[in-house]
Amino acid sequence: GESVGLHLPTLSVQEGDNSIINCAYSNSASDYFIWYKQESGKGPQFIIDIRSNMDKRQGQRVTVLLNKTVKHLSLQIAATQPGDSAVYFCAENSNSGGGADGLTFGKGTHLIIQP
Amino acid sequence: EAQVTQNPRYLITVTGKKLTVTCSQNMNHEYMSWYRQDPGLGLRQIYYSMNVEVTDKGDVPEGYKVSRKEKRNFPLILESPSPNQTSLYFCASSFGQGYGYTFGSGTRLTIV
Repeated sequence: GESVGLHLPTLSVQEGDNSIINCAYSNSASDYFIWYKQESGKGPQFIIDIRSNMDKRQGQRVTVLLNKTVKHLSLQIAATQPGDSAVYFCAENSNSGGGADGLTFGKGTHLIIQP
Repeated sequence: EAQVTQNPRYLITVTGKKLTVTCSQNMNHEYMSWYRQDPGLGLRQIYYSMNVEVTDKGDVPEGYKVSRKEKRNFPLILESPSPNQTSLYFCASSFGQGYGYTFGSGTRLTIV
């Protein structure tokens, strides 16, 4: 079946630098995408989402970019802080394929912030 | 505060002893779901429910049961737990397909 994947399992960045976390998806029917942050010992936390009729969406210090041509999703975190250390994973939603209710999660990228 | 609450947070128990993990949400969400998270395997869906009295199997339902008698509650039942069910479990809820899930804080289950 189709699945959501991530390019890198671990990403190490200097505090203050910008971080870019990537996600590739293969289900062309996916129409909604979400980025989650999971800190150690906690449940996944919603960061930002984007629907397929958009190619960019901005939040506070975070930006999600969607490139439907190459089926690629990215999360940009500006001015990375120690509190940004976590596992980040993307999820896609479609009415065909994916998880039992249409939602498929990637396996995650561990973002490590170097002082 | 809008949240998904699951209990217990931690449980160590023995093989074969029935257990229930409770889950409750206060956001009037239609969808509820249970996931297990294992190293290297990510989040895998166990069961989900689209409404009261409607439940469906996810990707890894074997060894688990659920019920949805009320909109806010979605307990996960392990009738005869085995060591391969040792995992981190998350309950989640959402407004429906096309919306993201809100997750609980997790339940660390250890079956010995």
